[in-house]
Amino acid sequence: GAGVSQSPSNKVTEKGKDVELRCDPISGHTALYWYRQSLGQGLEFLIYFQGNSAPDKSGLPSDRFSAERTGGSVSTLTIQRTQQEDSAVYLCASSSYNRGFDEQYFGPGTRLTVT
Amino acid sequence: AQSVTQLGSHVSVSEGALVLLRCNYSSSVPPYLFWYVQYPNQGLQLLLKYTSAATLVKGINGFEAEFKKSETSFHLTKPSAHMSDAAEYFCAVSEGNQGGKLIFGQGTELSVKP
Repeated sequence: GAGVSQSPSNKVTEKGKDVELRCDPISGHTALYWYRQSLGQGLEFLIYFQGNSAPDKSGLPSDRFSAERTGGSVSTLTIQRTQQEDSAVYLCASSSYNRGFDEQYFGPGTRLTVT
Repeated sequence: AQSVTQLGSHVSVSEGALVLLRCNYSSSVPPYLFWYVQYPNQGLQLLLKYTSAATLVKGINGFEAEFKKSETSFHLTKPSAHMSDAAEYFCAVSEGNQGGKLIFGQGTELSVKP
């Protein structure tokens, strides 16, 4: 079946602009995760949605970062007033109860470049 | 707090040689441990996982890893490297099967020489 998809695959934006990154999880997966991969910081957890529970936002680096998950499916990560240090690859993953929530399936990522 | 340390940011082996990628973890609860592989310009793919069953875990592409609680280690091995194994490998830990974040190591880039 279809895997996790993310769009756009690449995004170049000017410092100070807002950006939205989209994630479509695997159909039926109730858990959705955002991670950030950068040269200096490696792979970092950002936020986690599980069903109707309040999201775990403990990894969001600043209040410029926010995420929504509408209808328990698609998620959007928004970065306001982008800074150069936001340049990274943003990865989305999903998991399901039936496969053991521990198995996270990753999308190809969105490469964000802030100029 | 949980953490993962991967020893060696770069490992180079010859084709046909043993692959050994090292991972040590820290966790205050029984951990779930994972190895992921990332090929250039692609997302992460799960190689194998340890979830408190057998301590020797076999994964895809001939890789395996052994959980050693006394050494807090979960090293990844493959008896014979193939050129197609060249990629970046990440060790990760989570707090169990209720979902939740993965904590990743810094990654080890594996190069395979012909």
